[in-house]
Amino acid sequence: AQSVTQLDSQVPVFEEAPVELRCNYSSSVSVYLFWYVQYPNQGLQLLLKYLSGSTLVKGINGFEAEFNKSQTSFHLRKPSVHISDTAEYFCAVILITGNQFYFGTGTSLTVIP
Amino acid sequence: KAGVTQTPRYLIKTRGQQVTLSCSPISGHRSVSWYQQTPGQGLQFLFEYFSETQRNKGNFPGRFSGRQFSNSRSEMNVSTLELGDSALYLCASSPLAGGDNEQFFGPGTRLTVL
Repeated sequence: AQSVTQLDSQVPVFEEAPVELRCNYSSSVSVYLFWYVQYPNQGLQLLLKYLSGSTLVKGINGFEAEFNKSQTSFHLRKPSVHISDTAEYFCAVILITGNQFYFGTGTSLTVIP
Repeated sequence: KAGVTQTPRYLIKTRGQQVTLSCSPISGHRSVSWYQQTPGQGLQFLFEYFSETQRNKGNFPGRFSGRQFSNSRSEMNVSTLELGDSALYLCASSPLAGGDNEQFFGPGTRLTVL
């Protein structure tokens, strides 16, 4: 069975500070990894994804994530956050042979001016 | 291209009623998935349709059903509504089946059951 754990439910951070949102997963088979962002009253928007190749993945809005197979982690980072980054962030995995996402419970990022 | 659209955006029903939600995928996309989002359970997979066939189903009771039409539009139906069915229902579409295809999410339908 697959599962995704987002270790921090809420992360407050000051504007222009760096941030890391943690994600660990468990799966007995190979998966693809994703980070999505959800702004209030909106659907999910893809930030970045890891399918194969370089373990450092760059996404939109200055975000990046690093896939660590040995630690089964896919942490999301941004070197300098902006007020507009305040949102809910979801880590998700999908089997390479499937089409069903397994989502973490989300991390609420609040950027403080 | 227009994004994934979901109708209605908001819905209020009472216990025991049934409801039908609609999802129009991005033009050319053949796969449609549905998710339920609640504060307590997070995002949970309901089912996925590809070329009018249900390919995968999550762990939900039989009150939850869906279908997909030949134009790839999809509907989901919930019968005998319960208070716990109150949630944001998200639809996602992708061009093909397979995990390496990006899924594009709609804005969701917020269902409130009174």
